Parts: sequence; C-alpha cells; structure tokens
Amino acid sequence: NAGVTQTPKFRILKIGQSMTLQCTQDMNHNYMYWYRQDPGMGLKLIYYSVGAGITDKGEVPNGYNVSRSTTEDFPLRLELAAPSQTSVYFCASSFDLAGGLLTYEQYFGPGTRLTVT
Amino acid sequence: QKEVEQNSGPLSVPEGAIASLNCTYSDRGSQSFFWYRQYSGKSPELIMSIYSNGDKEDGRFTAQLNKASQYVSLLIRDSQPSDSATYLCAVVAGNMLTFGGGTRLMVKP
Repeated sequence: NAGVTQTPKFRILKIGQSMTLQCTQDMNHNYMYWYRQDPGMGLKLIYYSVGAGITDKGEVPNGYNVSRSTTEDFPLRLELAAPSQTSVYFCASSFDLAGGLLTYEQYFGPGTRLTVT
Repeated sequence: QKEVEQNSGPLSVPEGAIASLNCTYSDRGSQSFFWYRQYSGKSPELIMSIYSNGDKEDGRFTAQLNKASQYVSLLIRDSQPSDSATYLCAVVAGNMLTFGGGTRLMVKP
C-alpha cells in the first residue's frame, strides 16, 4: 500500500492564480481531511469528508473548495491564491470501525509546500 | 483560549535521559488523545493514542492521561538523537481532531 499520496510536492503560485492539490489514499478509508500548517504552528483543519459525496468545512475553509467523488480521491482547490495561503498542506485519512465508530487515528500524506507571491 | 496547549520548546535533553512532553486541553468532554511525531520537513506520524486515565506504554514511549486535570503527557525513556523532532498533541474536541502547536525536542549526544 502506498498509503496517502499528495501531488505536487512543491508549487509556487502568483497572486490570483488557481490550482488543485491532489490527494489519494489506497487504504479504503472513509474519512479524509485537509490541513494547513504554518511555520512553527500546529495543524488547522480546512475541510473534511466522511465519504464519497459528503464534505464539510473545518476551522479555516475560506479561500478553498473540495470535492469527493470517489473513496480514494479528495482534491483541494484554491481559486484565487493569496499570500496568506502560503503554507504546507497535508492530506490525511482515517478509518471507522465496524458500526461506524470513527477512530480519529489519522494517517498523513507527505505534504505540499505552497508559496504564493 | 487555545483548545490544546503545548510548550513550544525547544526541550533539550541528553541522550539516554527521559524526555517529558506535556499538553493541556480545554474541552472537558474530550475522550480521545493522540501524540504525533513530526520530523523537520516531514508529515506527522501517529505514535501513541490513549483513551483512559492512567498510563499506556509502548516500547520507550509512555502516554499519561489525567482527565480531571485535563492533562496528557508523553514520556520518552532512553532518549536517542533520532527522537529529535516536534511532538504534536491532538485531542478530539467537538467531533474534530484539534492539534496543539507542538513541542520541539532536541536530544543531544
């Protein structure tokens, strides 16, 4: 299993440009998450999904959009890049136990380092 | 008030010593607690989970939970230079996993 994979690893965007960060997991996890991590800070939840077709906002959703058409993929879209979106973005997934109980044990991808100038 | 608080460090310990990392949280209803290790430039890696009051041991790692005091800690015995990393405390609060800012640990040979 590759686990959680993310592309690209690095990207530089100009202000106002758009891009999609890709995230794929091969563990058949229902739950997927997008976080951002600013230097010296913890992780802030942007969006999450509890299954294909279901997404919800996290703590810092402004400026981002997501979709979840399959169990495996959870892309994050930046429509109008701003310098405040310079950060490292992590995708994560977690599984639920029989009966739908969420474990909250999250497994992270390698991250995408994004710079907006 | 931050929901999950950690001392940012750095916490410096000599090789072979016990490193003690601490975390406090604000949501009294929290039931699930995790420690993640993050090497510089890498992604967080889950190393411990704890759900009940008391101690949970896994190799050189011991997680300690005191729900009455809203306090969770991680002890690393026989610290090695390879343990040098940032340790993130994470707490389930309001059906979301909330992370602290992390404590940077430096283990000196």
